[in-house]
Amino acid sequence: AQTVTQSQPEMSVQEAETVTLSCTYDTSESDYYLFWYKQPPSRQMILVIRQEAYKQQNATENRFSVNFQKAAKSFSLKISDSQLGDAAMYFCAYRSAPDKLIFGTGTRLQVFP
Amino acid sequence: EAGVAQSPRYKIIEKRQSVAFWCNPISGHATLYWYQQILGQGPKLLIQFQNNGVVDDSQLPKDRFSAERLKGVDSTLKIQPAKLEDSAVYLCASSWTGGSYEQYFGPGTRLTVT
Repeated sequence: AQTVTQSQPEMSVQEAETVTLSCTYDTSESDYYLFWYKQPPSRQMILVIRQEAYKQQNATENRFSVNFQKAAKSFSLKISDSQLGDAAMYFCAYRSAPDKLIFGTGTRLQVFP
Repeated sequence: EAGVAQSPRYKIIEKRQSVAFWCNPISGHATLYWYQQILGQGPKLLIQFQNNGVVDDSQLPKDRFSAERLKGVDSTLKIQPAKLEDSAVYLCASSWTGGSYEQYFGPGTRLTVT
Protein backbone atom coordinates (compact mmCIF):
# COMPACT_ATOMS: atom_id res chain seq x y z
CA ALA A 1 0.00 0.00 0.00
CA GLN A 2 1.12 3.50 -0.72
CA THR A 3 2.07 5.79 2.15
CA VAL A 4 2.90 9.49 2.37
CA THR A 5 5.09 10.94 5.12
CA GLN A 6 5.50 14.57 6.10
CA SER A 7 8.10 14.77 8.85
CA GLN A 8 7.74 18.47 9.65
CA PRO A 9 4.61 19.14 11.75
CA GLU A 10 5.35 22.89 11.76
CA MET A 11 7.52 25.28 9.83
CA SER A 12 7.93 29.02 9.98
CA VAL A 13 9.32 31.58 7.57
CA GLN A 14 9.84 35.32 7.44
CA GLU A 15 7.86 37.24 4.88
CA ALA A 16 9.70 37.45 1.52
CA GLU A 17 11.99 34.56 2.45
CA THR A 18 12.03 31.02 1.02
CA VAL A 19 10.87 27.86 2.78
CA THR A 20 10.93 24.20 1.79
CA LEU A 21 8.41 21.62 2.98
CA SER A 22 9.41 17.95 2.85
CA CYS A 23 7.45 14.92 1.71
CA THR A 24 8.43 11.31 1.12
CA TYR A 25 6.25 8.51 -0.18
CA ASP A 26 6.37 4.80 -0.70
CA THR A 27 4.99 3.02 -3.76
CA SER A 28 5.71 0.14 -6.08
CA GLU A 29 4.01 1.85 -9.01
CA SER A 30 6.01 3.49 -11.78
CA ASP A 31 3.37 5.88 -13.06
CA TYR A 32 1.56 8.16 -10.62
CA TYR A 33 0.77 11.74 -9.70
CA LEU A 34 1.88 13.77 -6.69
CA PHE A 35 0.21 16.90 -5.35
CA TRP A 36 0.63 19.63 -2.79
CA TYR A 37 -2.60 21.00 -1.34
CA LYS A 38 -3.04 24.08 0.85
CA GLN A 39 -5.70 24.13 3.56
CA PRO A 40 -6.33 27.54 5.15
CA PRO A 41 -8.46 27.93 8.30
CA SER A 42 -11.53 27.98 6.06
CA ARG A 43 -10.84 24.22 5.62
CA GLN A 44 -11.17 24.25 1.83
CA MET A 45 -8.39 22.26 0.19
CA ILE A 46 -6.75 24.18 -2.64
CA LEU A 47 -4.44 22.56 -5.18
CA VAL A 48 -1.05 24.27 -5.16
CA ILE A 49 0.96 22.19 -7.62
CA ARG A 50 0.93 18.83 -9.41
CA GLN A 51 3.73 16.56 -10.64
CA GLU A 52 3.43 13.64 -13.03
CA ALA A 53 5.92 10.92 -12.18
CA TYR A 54 6.83 10.29 -15.82
CA LYS A 55 8.00 13.89 -16.23
CA GLN A 56 11.59 14.53 -15.22
CA GLN A 57 11.13 18.29 -15.17
CA ASN A 58 10.10 19.72 -11.83
CA ALA A 59 6.72 21.47 -11.81
CA THR A 60 6.55 25.20 -11.17
CA GLU A 61 3.58 27.47 -10.46
CA ASN A 62 4.59 31.09 -9.92
CA ARG A 63 6.25 31.23 -6.47
CA PHE A 64 5.74 27.50 -5.87
CA SER A 65 8.06 24.82 -7.19
CA VAL A 66 8.83 21.22 -6.38
CA ASN A 67 11.95 19.13 -6.14
CA PHE A 68 10.87 15.70 -7.37
CA GLN A 69 13.40 12.93 -6.78
CA LYS A 70 11.74 9.77 -8.14
CA ALA A 71 14.46 7.33 -7.13
CA ALA A 72 14.53 8.69 -3.59
CA LYS A 73 10.71 8.93 -3.52
CA SER A 74 10.95 12.49 -2.35
CA PHE A 75 8.67 15.39 -3.30
CA SER A 76 9.44 18.70 -1.56
CA LEU A 77 7.67 22.02 -2.02
CA LYS A 78 9.58 25.29 -2.20
CA ILE A 79 7.76 28.55 -1.58
CA SER A 80 9.70 31.61 -2.69
CA ASP A 81 9.02 35.19 -1.63
CA SER A 82 6.69 33.98 1.12
CA GLN A 83 3.59 36.05 1.77
CA LEU A 84 1.34 36.31 4.82
CA GLY A 85 -1.40 34.64 2.80
CA ASP A 86 0.72 31.52 2.43
CA ALA A 87 0.14 30.66 6.08
CA ALA A 88 -1.88 27.43 6.15
CA MET A 89 -1.66 23.66 6.48
CA TYR A 90 0.09 22.05 3.53
CA PHE A 91 -0.63 18.47 2.58
CA CYS A 92 1.37 16.27 0.26
CA ALA A 93 -0.78 13.72 -1.58
CA TYR A 94 -0.24 10.68 -3.79
CA ARG A 95 -2.82 9.62 -6.35
CA SER A 96 -3.31 5.89 -6.53
CA ALA A 97 -5.67 3.89 -8.70
CA PRO A 98 -8.57 4.28 -9.20
CA ASP A 99 -8.01 7.97 -8.52
CA LYS A 100 -7.85 7.89 -4.73
CA LEU A 101 -5.75 10.55 -3.02
CA ILE A 102 -3.57 9.45 -0.10
CA PHE A 103 -2.57 12.38 2.08
CA GLY A 104 0.27 12.95 4.51
CA THR A 105 -0.34 14.33 7.99
CA GLY A 106 0.37 17.88 6.95
CA THR A 107 2.79 20.69 7.78
CA ARG A 108 1.55 23.87 9.42
CA LEU A 109 3.31 26.87 7.87
CA GLN A 110 3.52 30.12 9.78
CA VAL A 111 4.62 33.30 8.03
CA PHE A 112 5.98 36.14 10.14
CA PRO A 113 6.04 39.78 8.99
CA GLU B 1 -18.21 28.35 -12.18
CA ALA B 2 -19.77 27.45 -8.85
CA GLY B 3 -17.64 25.30 -6.57
CA VAL B 4 -18.48 22.20 -4.58
CA ALA B 5 -21.23 23.00 -2.09
CA GLN B 6 -21.63 21.30 1.26
CA SER B 7 -24.08 21.66 4.11
CA PRO B 8 -24.25 22.09 6.96
CA ARG B 9 -20.93 23.76 7.77
CA TYR B 10 -21.10 22.73 11.43
CA LYS B 11 -23.01 20.06 13.32
CA ILE B 12 -22.99 19.08 16.98
CA ILE B 13 -24.75 15.87 18.04
CA GLU B 14 -24.70 13.46 20.93
CA LYS B 15 -23.31 9.97 20.57
CA ARG B 16 -25.76 7.39 19.25
CA GLN B 17 -27.65 10.07 17.32
CA SER B 18 -27.76 10.13 13.54
CA VAL B 19 -26.54 12.84 11.18
CA ALA B 20 -26.51 13.48 7.44
CA PHE B 21 -24.29 15.62 5.26
CA TRP B 22 -25.10 16.89 1.79
CA CYS B 23 -22.82 17.60 -1.14
CA ASN B 24 -23.50 19.18 -4.52
CA PRO B 25 -20.54 18.73 -6.88
CA ILE B 26 -19.43 21.02 -9.67
CA SER B 27 -21.78 20.72 -12.63
CA GLY B 28 -20.68 18.02 -15.05
CA HIS B 29 -18.27 16.30 -12.67
CA ALA B 30 -18.84 12.56 -12.88
CA THR B 31 -16.71 11.55 -9.93
CA LEU B 32 -17.55 12.43 -6.35
CA TYR B 33 -15.54 11.69 -3.21
CA TRP B 34 -16.19 11.82 0.53
CA TYR B 35 -13.17 12.24 2.81
CA GLN B 36 -12.92 12.16 6.60
CA GLN B 37 -10.32 14.46 8.18
CA ILE B 38 -9.67 13.88 11.86
CA LEU B 39 -7.97 16.73 13.71
CA GLY B 40 -4.22 16.66 13.13
CA GLN B 41 -4.42 14.23 10.23
CA GLY B 42 -4.73 14.37 6.47
CA PRO B 43 -8.02 13.55 4.77
CA LYS B 44 -8.86 9.87 4.33
CA LEU B 45 -11.09 8.66 1.51
CA LEU B 46 -14.34 7.11 2.71
CA ILE B 47 -16.13 6.51 -0.58
CA GLN B 48 -15.78 7.34 -4.27
CA PHE B 49 -18.65 7.47 -6.77
CA GLN B 50 -18.45 7.43 -10.55
CA ASN B 51 -21.84 8.73 -11.67
CA ASN B 52 -24.29 6.58 -9.67
CA GLY B 53 -21.94 3.70 -8.98
CA VAL B 54 -19.52 3.11 -6.10
CA VAL B 55 -15.90 2.78 -7.23
CA ASP B 56 -14.23 2.43 -3.83
CA ASP B 57 -15.77 2.17 -0.37
CA SER B 58 -13.09 0.01 1.20
CA GLN B 59 -12.53 2.43 4.10
CA LEU B 60 -16.17 3.21 4.81
CA PRO B 61 -17.32 1.78 8.20
CA LYS B 62 -20.38 0.18 6.70
CA ASP B 63 -21.92 -0.78 10.03
CA ARG B 64 -22.65 2.90 10.73
CA PHE B 65 -21.84 4.92 7.62
CA SER B 66 -23.82 4.97 4.41
CA ALA B 67 -23.70 7.13 1.31
CA GLU B 68 -25.71 7.53 -1.81
CA ARG B 69 -25.55 9.56 -4.97
CA LEU B 70 -28.92 9.86 -6.57
CA LYS B 71 -29.10 10.55 -10.32
CA GLY B 72 -25.34 10.91 -10.41
CA VAL B 73 -25.37 14.45 -9.03
CA ASP B 74 -25.93 15.29 -5.33
CA SER B 75 -24.70 12.98 -2.62
CA THR B 76 -25.59 12.35 1.00
CA LEU B 77 -23.35 10.81 3.66
CA LYS B 78 -25.07 9.46 6.78
CA ILE B 79 -23.79 8.28 10.13
CA GLN B 80 -26.07 6.20 12.32
CA PRO B 81 -25.40 5.83 15.21
CA ALA B 82 -22.57 8.31 15.74
CA LYS B 83 -19.61 7.59 17.99
CA LEU B 84 -17.23 10.00 19.69
CA GLU B 85 -14.45 9.02 17.27
CA ASP B 86 -16.57 10.23 14.34
CA SER B 87 -15.78 13.82 15.32
CA ALA B 88 -13.99 15.16 12.25
CA VAL B 89 -14.32 17.36 9.19
CA TYR B 90 -16.12 15.65 6.32
CA LEU B 91 -14.91 16.89 2.95
CA CYS B 92 -16.62 16.36 -0.37
CA ALA B 93 -14.70 16.63 -3.63
CA SER B 94 -15.50 16.16 -7.30
CA SER B 95 -13.64 15.76 -10.57
CA TRP B 96 -14.46 15.32 -14.25
CA THR B 97 -13.52 11.64 -14.29
CA GLY B 98 -10.62 9.63 -13.01
CA GLY B 99 -7.17 10.06 -14.44
CA SER B 100 -5.17 13.19 -13.98
CA TYR B 101 -8.09 15.49 -13.45
CA GLU B 102 -7.91 17.71 -10.39
CA GLN B 103 -10.18 17.06 -7.44
CA TYR B 104 -12.04 20.17 -6.33
CA PHE B 105 -12.92 20.28 -2.65
CA GLY B 106 -15.86 21.79 -0.83
CA PRO B 107 -15.58 23.76 2.44
CA GLY B 108 -16.32 20.70 4.56
CA THR B 109 -18.65 19.97 7.46
CA ARG B 110 -17.20 20.00 10.96
CA LEU B 111 -18.92 17.33 13.06
CA THR B 112 -18.60 17.26 16.83
CA VAL B 113 -19.98 14.22 18.67
CA THR B 114 -20.41 14.75 22.42
